[in-house]
Amino acid sequence: HVQLVESGGGVVQPGGSLRLSCAASGFSFSPYAMHWVRQAPGKGLEWVAVIWSDESNKDYADSVKGRFTISRDNSKNTLYLQMNSLRAEDTAVYFCARDASGNYHYFDYWGQGTLVTVSS
Amino acid sequence: EIVLTQSPGTLSLSPGERATLSCRASQSVRSNYLAWYQQKPGQAPRIVIYAAGSRATGTPDRFSGSGSGTDFTLTISRLEPEDFAVYYCQQYDDSWTFGQGTKVGIK
Repeated sequence: HVQLVESGGGVVQPGGSLRLSCAASGFSFSPYAMHWVRQAPGKGLEWVAVIWSDESNKDYADSVKGRFTISRDNSKNTLYLQMNSLRAEDTAVYFCARDASGNYHYFDYWGQGTLVTVSS
Repeated sequence: EIVLTQSPGTLSLSPGERATLSCRASQSVRSNYLAWYQQKPGQAPRIVIYAAGSRATGTPDRFSGSGSGTDFTLTISRLEPEDFAVYYCQQYDDSWTFGQGTKVGIK
């Protein structure tokens, strides 16, 4: 069965960096676009970034553009999110999600999330 | 950016009642590229409806989605105890954005 497992969250000071990972299993990883979505404590969902199957095409929310970098290693079935220049407002649970692909780009599978806390 | 506005913010209902959730887009969502997700406390969201009206695998038929253009609706015909949760709409026509959520709570 499809499984997405995030890791790498933790507490970091403002201005610091963190790299999140999302290990995928139970499906052929390379053909699927993958996303990061975040949820601040007690708040709603915010889309963060997408990377398409060929890795060349990426897009970001304006709130993280220039600070976050999404990448993937298809040989390791793993998605990454490099987060630099972190701010207090980046505090959230970060979920990775699989793009349903084809004609429909909703998110058909989600990981359980990893908590990132930006605090001094 | 397409902004999605969900209403009401909270719906207080009893099991067996009908729930009607609204999602309004700031501009037309082409090809009905709209989805609904269910999220329970401490859990990841789960896809319920995609393409405005198609039930995802495993979604019970008491859930239905409708609408087009800028106005979309999620209806739960008879609430079961496991349906009490927060529901988010999402558009995937122009990048991706979510509504702010509607909480369906027990009355």
